[in-house]
Amino acid sequence: SQQGEEDPQALSIQEGENATMNCSYKTSINNLQWYRQNSGRGLVHLILIRSNEREKHSGRLRVTLDTSKKSSSLLITASRAADTASYFCATDGGGGNKLTFGTGTQLKVEL
Amino acid sequence: DTGVSQDPRHKITKRGQNVTFRCDPISEHNRLYWYRQTLGQGPEFLTYFQNEAQLEKSRLLSDRFSAERPKGSFSTLEIQRTEQGDSAMYLCASSPAPTGTYGYTFGSGTRLTVV
Repeated sequence: SQQGEEDPQALSIQEGENATMNCSYKTSINNLQWYRQNSGRGLVHLILIRSNEREKHSGRLRVTLDTSKKSSSLLITASRAADTASYFCATDGGGGNKLTFGTGTQLKVEL
Repeated sequence: DTGVSQDPRHKITKRGQNVTFRCDPISEHNRLYWYRQTLGQGPEFLTYFQNEAQLEKSRLLSDRFSAERPKGSFSTLEIQRTEQGDSAMYLCASSPAPTGTYGYTFGSGTRLTVV
């Protein structure tokens, strides 16, 4: 079963613009992670934010976490065509044994 | 180390046949996970190993599915008597520690088509 839902399901922007994706989840979490998947390939880990953190940065990525609203957002600044991919949030419920993935946002960055 | 390897990349099989997939994780990683992903969906958890011990199995893993990780190294996922509903991408991932510390490293997946 999917733990979370990403919003929007699909996003199309121009190169250089910022892209924002949102993730909502249902149960309490230990941490939340974001992954990228290029078409037909495996997933690549982008960033992890713990439940006691509110914001985290990594390069052009900025992640926020609001545990009271059970939501997270991923911001990609100054997007590039190479950022075109599907982006998934994944939650660790605290058991430390598995991640539960959301439904994903398809991002298309056009030249 | 070149990351997580999965073999084969693609598999087409007839309904009712058995198939086996292999995953070679990063050698230092003691945790190994199998996920299944259908088109337009996120990965769904199937099972998890810590070293050679299979510690958790999803209800998605019916009696026709079995996974092993002998000696805590590579892992195999076998599907017996395949059905068309088994068509999906099967993803393997590994990590060196509980999920709260590091992210997963995924392989490129095995795409299964049951005809």
